[in-house]
Amino acid sequence: DQQVKQNSPSLSVQEGRISILNCDYTNSMFDYFLWYKKYPAEGPTFLISISSIKDKNEDGRFTVFLNKSAKHLSLHIVPSQPGDSAVYFCAARQMNTDKLIFGTGTRLQVFP
Amino acid sequence: DAGITQSPRHKVTETGTPVTLRCHQTENHRYMYWYRQDPGHGLRLIHYSYGVKDTDKGEVSDGYSVSRSKTEDFLLTLESATSSQTSVYFCAISERAGSSIQYFGAGTRLSVL
Repeated sequence: DQQVKQNSPSLSVQEGRISILNCDYTNSMFDYFLWYKKYPAEGPTFLISISSIKDKNEDGRFTVFLNKSAKHLSLHIVPSQPGDSAVYFCAARQMNTDKLIFGTGTRLQVFP
Repeated sequence: DAGITQSPRHKVTETGTPVTLRCHQTENHRYMYWYRQDPGHGLRLIHYSYGVKDTDKGEVSDGYSVSRSKTEDFLLTLESATSSQTSVYFCAISERAGSSIQYFGAGTRLSVL
């Protein structure tokens, strides 16, 4: 059973517009959430994270929002750039463990 | 970039043969992980290590074993490779317990024919 779900396999956005990537989870024992970006033939790279005690974290063009009651998080990229085209994975950590559970990924394409 | 090297980067092997993948780090991080990435499944944890000679299973550990005799090296072994183990394998490291940020290597693409 998938505990972390990314229901949109792909997303296409025009350059300069906002990209919104979504992630849902089922386990209320997750206490930390992360977003990773992955280019082809490379490993995932850490992008931004948020603790379950917060509802927003911002880093430059990237903002992550957490809605605990809905068990939902989202990543906003504003403005989107062609270099943002990649696969984005959300991940969650179960409390008191060192392990992350990843979603299946969303492929973002930013076109001119 | 974190100093993580995976070798080999590509490997083609036959069903039933043993295969060992290596992850080498220069960051002196305590925690190391092996994942596999498959279409429709994202990244799934195979095994992880929380210190030299200290390892534990992840969610897809069947058919895999690991060893960590030195802080810098974490080996993943497929005792008898099967076609279902065709995948991209990623190693990751993290600095300490509670630090959720894991840093990944570039991956090894394994094909089992």
